[in-house]
Amino acid sequence: DQQVKQNSPSLSVQEGRISILNCDYTNSMFDYFLWYKKYPAEGPTFLISISSIKDKNEDGRFTVFLNKSAKHLSLHIVPSQPGDSAVYFCAASGPPGAEYGNKLVFGAGTILRVKS
Amino acid sequence: GAGVSQSPSNKVTEKGKDVELRCDPISGHTALYWYRQSLGQGLEFLIYFQGNSAPDKSGLPSDRFSAERTGGSVSTLTIQRTQQEDSAVYLCASSLSGLAGFGWETQYFGPGTRLLVL
Repeated sequence: DQQVKQNSPSLSVQEGRISILNCDYTNSMFDYFLWYKKYPAEGPTFLISISSIKDKNEDGRFTVFLNKSAKHLSLHIVPSQPGDSAVYFCAASGPPGAEYGNKLVFGAGTILRVKS
Repeated sequence: GAGVSQSPSNKVTEKGKDVELRCDPISGHTALYWYRQSLGQGLEFLIYFQGNSAPDKSGLPSDRFSAERTGGSVSTLTIQRTQQEDSAVYLCASSLSGLAGFGWETQYFGPGTRLLVL
């Protein structure tokens, strides 16, 4: 039973436009959410995160939105660049000491292709 | 400084053989994590080390899997009597202390070991 789901295996976007990657979760105990980016033959690298006390976190071209009632988060990339082409993983964890406080639960990833 | 390194980068083995995968974390990082990514799946947590001890081994899929960490540094993941379903990319990550809960401290990943069991 997947607790973190990325329902879009891939997304193709034109350079300069907005990329929106979506993630849904089922466990209401999750209180911290992260996005990782992965290039081929490399390990994932941390991109941006958000805690459950916020509904938005912004870092340059990257913004993560959290809708707790819908158990949904999204990553917006504006403007998209060809170098953003990668696999994006959504991940979640719970409070320290709780069941998922010492685990990161990952989604299956979304392949983003930014066309120039 | 150097990032997390893993060796070998690729490993092809025959069903039933044992394999050892190595991880060198970032110097000074107390916490070390092993994950695996099977084809079409997300990263699956395997085990977490705090120093040389493993407070959480709950992700190890069977007793054929074991891991150790020595000197608070290098870790080895061993898979005994490999099966075809063990084929995956095995990723190691480290973080500074691991004490704040996984999500609250950035984990730095190595490039992974691609294991293929024939």
